[in-house]
Amino acid sequence: GEDVEQSLFLSVREGDSSVINCTYTDSSSTYLYWYKQEPGAGLQLLTYIFSNMDMKQDQRLTVLLNKKDKHLSLRIADTQTGDSAIYFCAETPGGYQKVTFGIGTKLQVIP
Amino acid sequence: GAGVSQSPSNKVTEKGKDVELRCDPISGHTALYWYRQSLGQGLEFLIYFQGNSAPDKSGLPSDRFSAERTGGSVSTLTIQRTQQEDSAVYLCASSLSHGNTIYFGEGSWLTVV
Repeated sequence: GEDVEQSLFLSVREGDSSVINCTYTDSSSTYLYWYKQEPGAGLQLLTYIFSNMDMKQDQRLTVLLNKKDKHLSLRIADTQTGDSAIYFCAETPGGYQKVTFGIGTKLQVIP
Repeated sequence: GAGVSQSPSNKVTEKGKDVELRCDPISGHTALYWYRQSLGQGLEFLIYFQGNSAPDKSGLPSDRFSAERTGGSVSTLTIQRTQQEDSAVYLCASSLSHGNTIYFGEGSWLTVV
């Protein structure tokens, strides 16, 4: 079955790195995504990774994928107060099936 | 439009009334999703439309919920006889096709009083 799990809450100090983790169950997932939701707003795509990749870097963001363990992580370097938001991990299983989202990790950045 | 558009952005309704929420996906996007996000909760999948295929309705919580997608574009989510537990943000999203990046609207904030 499809299930995406994330921890609910993460608190970091401004300037530190944040690492948000996610596990998924569908080994046939082709795309894995990170979305950001700021308070009172919709979800915005942050970054995504194809399942044939191990790592993707985009400025302060680094996505790591461990297919063997079905583990995805998002690292935010030099975390800023503007990074405070809820971060959702999502996977697209194989075939014409719905995207499955995790419950979201709320990142709190302490000045 | 440039993005996924939802209306109304805010709706307050009385318990027992019906509501309709509208979603205009990005032009050309064949896949359309409805999700629900209750206060402090994660995303709850409701329904998924993909082209002309039969929709995946497996996430609809009760028979009071229904959705249509006309002409492969605009979608309407209807909630009949609303209950207080229906209060949530209803998010619509679309993608070019299955497996592509999905883009979200800003959501329709529904409050049932």
